[in-house]
Order: sequence, then C-alpha cells, then structure tokens
Amino acid sequence: KQEVTQIPAALSVPEGENLVLNCSFTDSAIYNLQWFRQDPGKGLTSLLLIQSSQREQTSGRLNASLDKSSGRSTLYIAASQPGDSATYLCAVGLVGGKLIFGQGTELSVKP
Amino acid sequence: DAGVIQSPRHEVTEMGQEVTLRCKPISGHNSLFWYRQTMMRGLELLIYFNNNVPIDDSGMPEDRFSAKMPNASFSTLKIQPSEPRDSAVYFCASSLGARTGGLTGELFFGEGSRLTVL
Repeated sequence: KQEVTQIPAALSVPEGENLVLNCSFTDSAIYNLQWFRQDPGKGLTSLLLIQSSQREQTSGRLNASLDKSSGRSTLYIAASQPGDSATYLCAVGLVGGKLIFGQGTELSVKP
Repeated sequence: DAGVIQSPRHEVTEMGQEVTLRCKPISGHNSLFWYRQTMMRGLELLIYFNNNVPIDDSGMPEDRFSAKMPNASFSTLKIQPSEPRDSAVYFCASSLGARTGGLTGELFFGEGSRLTVL
C-alpha cells in the first residue's frame, strides 16, 4: 500500500530564506508526482507536476525534484515571501489514476 | 476557463437528512475525482471516474455514500442519511487522463463544499 509522508508538518522561516519541503513515498511504482498549495478555506492549487521519467520541474522560484529509487521528492522555494505562507501538499499518482496525498507541510513566512 | 465548479459551497444540515454535492469539471477533462478533507485524516480519495465510468470507489466509506457521473460535465456525491461524522470539506477535482485511466495531467481542484451535519 502506497503511503506518502511529508516532513516537517510545520515550518516557520523569516522572509528571504531559501527552504526545502520534503515528501517521501513507500512504493516507487508511481506514474507522476504533483505538488500543491492550499490556502486556508480554499481548494488546492497545482504548483508543479513531475512525470515519473523526469527528475525535476521548475516554475519561477519553485523547483521540485523527484528520485523514484529512493522514494523522495523535494520542493525548493527560493527567496521566500510572506505570500508563500500556506500548506503545501505532495501527491503521488499511481498507474490507474489514483492520487495519494501526504498530510502536508504548513509553511509560515514571517516578514 | 471557469475551473472546477462545486456547489453548494457551504451546507449545514441535520443528522439523517440527505445531502447532495455537485461538481462541474473543466471542459475537456475526462477524469473526475471526489476527495474528502478533515483535520484528522487529511485528504482521502473517495471515488474517481474516467470517461464517466467509476474506476475505483474503494474509498467510499459506507453504503450511505454514492456518486454518479451521468455525463462528462456533471457529477454528484450523495450522502443518505447523513451523520455528524460526515462533516468535512468535500473536494471535486478533474484532469485530462489517458484513455486507459492513467493519470497523465495536472489535477485541478474546485473550491470545495464544506458540510456540517448537526
């Protein structure tokens, strides 16, 4: 059974810092991996999608990497801003269409 | 595009009542997912459809829950009878998946329906 874990559960950093969020999964047979952002009371917004054949994806200040063999993905946020404060979730896509979510990392960026 | 549209945004009902949540996926998407989110359990996949056909409903908690997708532009999630433990935010999401059901594209979420059962 695929399990997705995100560490840490919560993170607080001062504005301007570079930071890394971690996601690990137990079964390397994944189809893709997606990172989402969720603001309080809102739905999830897709940030980056990495197909299983890819190693990383970049969008602006965000960079996500994928290492299937070790069952890990990281989301790197450069020069963090208060507007980056949100919960970040990773989800692994399985063959057949299921998407399994981690519990998320709640990020707070202090001005 | 208007994105994934869910209704109602908020629903407060009494135990035993029937609840129907509605979802309109993004036009052209062929995969639709229903998720439930609670503080205790996080995001749980309830059921998903590919080309209007239910592929996996193993996440549906009980027979009180049912979901339908009569056409490519509409889906419902029904709870009958509702119970206080059903209180949660229910999300609908859609994507452009492969014909075989594999997930190839990004998943787009609606704003959710917050259900409170008293």
